Amino acid sequence: EAQVTQNPRYLITVTGKKLTVTCSQNMNHEYMSWYRQDPGLGLRQIYYSMNVEVTDKGDVPEGYKVSRKEKRNFPLILESPSPNQTSLYFCASSFAGVLETQYFGPGTRLLVL
Amino acid sequence: KQEVTQIPAALSVPEGENLVLNCSFTDSAIYNLQWFRQDPGKGLTSLLLIQSSQREQTSGRLNASLDKSSGRSTLYIAASQPGDSATYLCAVNGNQFYFGTGTSLTVIP
Repeated sequence: EAQVTQNPRYLITVTGKKLTVTCSQNMNHEYMSWYRQDPGLGLRQIYYSMNVEVTDKGDVPEGYKVSRKEKRNFPLILESPSPNQTSLYFCASSFAGVLETQYFGPGTRLLVL
Repeated sequence: KQEVTQIPAALSVPEGENLVLNCSFTDSAIYNLQWFRQDPGKGLTSLLLIQSSQREQTSGRLNASLDKSSGRSTLYIAASQPGDSATYLCAVNGNQFYFGTGTSLTVIP
């Protein structure tokens, strides 16, 4: 089944404790992206990747890191999480970036205490 | 920077009614526009994608239109059903994806 998977789905952590949210797609998509969704603000793009070893900042990259060492995986790293990073995070992928449909993962709900 | 607005923020209709959801955007330099559905606690499901050269797209009871010059798109849902209750998001795709904040739809049986 074609899908985007994220892990974990739910995470509670404390300020400053490094964490990684994994994202994987099995559709051989070149483009992958991370978003955060906050009430009243909608989805905002954090980082995106056009292909392996190619990443770029979205609208809200501060406090986040990403890497794209393999085509199928695009982990999101929070090196020193803060409470303002409490949010719902989505990973998405598409075959050809902005030209085609995006497919979304189920979301990761993060609470930073 | 692209700004995407969806009005109304919430809508409640009786079952069977036809309804229209609105999306407006500020920069007409787009590749396409996409409508998504989001159920509580779930990810986003793509409903329709309209290329910038197209005027509309249809899928079942859904019809989406695009007027790029005026920066508007509408999603028309015919004969609404309780199962249509969800949040509907539009995304405008230029050099990046930009999302509206969504319209929360409740269809009352």
